[in-house]
Amino acid sequence: EAQVTQNPRYLITVTGKKLTVTCSQNMNHEYMSWYRQDPGLGLRQIYYSMNVEVTDKGDVPEGYKVSRKEKRNFPLILESPSPNQTSLYFCASSLSWTGRGYDDGYTFGSGTRLTVV
Amino acid sequence: QKEVEQNSGPLSVPEGAIASLNCTYSDRGSQSFFWYRQYSGKSPELIMFIYSNGDKEDGRFTAQLNKASQYVSLLIRDSQPSDSATYLCAGMNSGGYQKVTFGTGTKLQVIP
Repeated sequence: EAQVTQNPRYLITVTGKKLTVTCSQNMNHEYMSWYRQDPGLGLRQIYYSMNVEVTDKGDVPEGYKVSRKEKRNFPLILESPSPNQTSLYFCASSLSWTGRGYDDGYTFGSGTRLTVV
Repeated sequence: QKEVEQNSGPLSVPEGAIASLNCTYSDRGSQSFFWYRQYSGKSPELIMFIYSNGDKEDGRFTAQLNKASQYVSLLIRDSQPSDSATYLCAGMNSGGYQKVTFGTGTKLQVIP
């Protein structure tokens, strides 16, 4: 089944304790991205990657790191989580990003609900 | 700030009616648009893509794009209770890379 797999689904952690949220896709997609979703603010992009070893900041990158060492994996790292990073996180991937086709549409993972206390 | 704006709703329509969801955008560089449906507690799923001015139909869904007015809409014909969800509008623009900006979503309630 074509999918984006995120783990864990739920995570409660304490301030300052490093954590990694994993994301893996099995569709050979070029483009991967991380979003956070907060009430009233919608989906905001954290980081994106256009290919292996190519990553760049989105709109809200502070406090996050990513890496893309393999095409299928795009982990999100919080080096020192803070309570304002409590949110619902989504990993998403798309086959392309030309802006001209349905293949530019995202497939989303199931989400990770993170609580930082 | 390049934005995609949607009325948060909820938009309530009776079963069988046409639901009309609207979205405006501020970036004239936006060239294509997506509609995603998000059920409560679930992840967004892609339902429509539109690139050219005019209408695009897929089953009960019709997406409309008017680039001159910077306006995108989604019509859902013969609305069903299973269509009750939040609908997210997203615009893709050519700003160095094809950046996708999401609206905050409109919650649709279809009343049986």
